[in-house]
Amino acid sequence: GEDVEQSLFLSVREGDSSVINCTYTDSSSTYLYWYKQEPGAGLQLLTYIFSNMDMKQDQRLTVLLNKKDKHLSLRIADTQTGDSAIYFCAERGPVPSGTYKYIFGTGTRLKVLA
Amino acid sequence: DGGITQSPKYLFRKEGQNVTLSCEQNLNHDAMYWYRQDPGQGLRLIYYSQIVNDFQKGDIAEGYSVSREKKESFPLTVTSAQKNPTAFYLCATEGGMGQPQHFGDGTRLSIL
Repeated sequence: GEDVEQSLFLSVREGDSSVINCTYTDSSSTYLYWYKQEPGAGLQLLTYIFSNMDMKQDQRLTVLLNKKDKHLSLRIADTQTGDSAIYFCAERGPVPSGTYKYIFGTGTRLKVLA
Repeated sequence: DGGITQSPKYLFRKEGQNVTLSCEQNLNHDAMYWYRQDPGQGLRLIYYSQIVNDFQKGDIAEGYSVSREKKESFPLTVTSAQKNPTAFYLCATEGGMGQPQHFGDGTRLSIL
């Protein structure tokens, strides 16, 4: 079945690195995404990776993809208090009708301690 | 996301009432989506539309209805048949193959 799993909470100290993990089940997923949600707001796209890539780096963000284990991670370097939010992992994969759908994880609430 | 406007930001529904949530976009994206978000849960797909005058049910369509008469607009009606409508509703658009979804700022619906 389709499922995207994330741990619910992560707490780190300001200046440390944060690593948010995600596992997914659909091996045919083509793209995997990381979104950030601040309180009362919509989801903001942070970064995404195509399934034939192992790693993608974008400033303080590093995405690692282990396709064999269906494991995706987001590393935030030098975490700041402004990074406190909920982070969602999402996969995009085909469905039998010929279209595709997104499946979102439950979100990881990151708390950055000053 | 400045290109997707959801309104109102807060909405209250009385028993037996239908309410409509607005989603307008100026990104020229073909595909539009409605999600429901409950506390501690991920997003669940209600309806989606890949082209004008066409839409499909998502995973939790019961008690909801949509229309797609214009490319820019994809309103969601929460009908009285939806017995637990209290949630945060998010509209998203997508520009095409491989492009990520972009989200509006959401509408929070509560029961009076």
